[in-house]
Amino acid sequence: EIVLTQSPGTLSLSPGERATVSCRASQSVSSSYLAWYQQKPGQAPRLLMYGASSRATGIPDRFSGSGSGTDFTLTISRLEPEDFAVYHCQQYGSSPLTFGGGTKVEIK
Amino acid sequence: EVQLVESGGGLVQPGGALRVSCVASGFTFNGHTMSWVRQAPGKGLEWVSAISRSGEYTYYADSVKGRFTISRDNSKNTVDLQMDSLRADDTAVYYCAKEVIDHAIEYWFFDVWGRGTLVTVSS
Repeated sequence: EIVLTQSPGTLSLSPGERATVSCRASQSVSSSYLAWYQQKPGQAPRLLMYGASSRATGIPDRFSGSGSGTDFTLTISRLEPEDFAVYHCQQYGSSPLTFGGGTKVEIK
Repeated sequence: EVQLVESGGGLVQPGGALRVSCVASGFTFNGHTMSWVRQAPGKGLEWVSAISRSGEYTYYADSVKGRFTISRDNSKNTVDLQMDSLRADDTAVYYCAKEVIDHAIEYWFFDVWGRGTLVTVSS
């Protein structure tokens, strides 16, 4: 099973700042099959990125993803108030599907 | 509107059973593999189970294999998760999720999620 480790656990930033979330895999993720989700309290996850760097429908371009192999990054170029949430990575290149532990982006 | 709505959660004693259901609308249900993903209180997401479009193939996480059974009824656009021999560590919000098909290829990430149903296992 591929273990995904996200860092940091919590990121304290101000609106307008840049956020960088890391997702490291215990082994190479096949074909960069890595997705990112945003989750707000009491809500279901929302798909942000897939294929490591493709934005899902309706996702603003301040969100970007990069990486391959075992190291992946989600970047939010300028934080908007609605971006403060928990972010999860997920690999779908091998069975079983696995998720990272989540990174909370909170207002500083 | 594409939508998934879960139901059936509740409080159950350790060793007991519960069945949660998900009804889908707004998309061609029998054209997609469906999954259940859970989230324990304050924890991350954990994939639990998936079922193929026809229902012929089922998949389970090791943590639930032999205790949980996934099924679907394409005539009713529903997918169920029968949970037996429940343990305290099965306590979680259970989400129903739809996988993505792009250019006729299935990818097991999820573009539609339900709001979830809470299952609490406690005496």
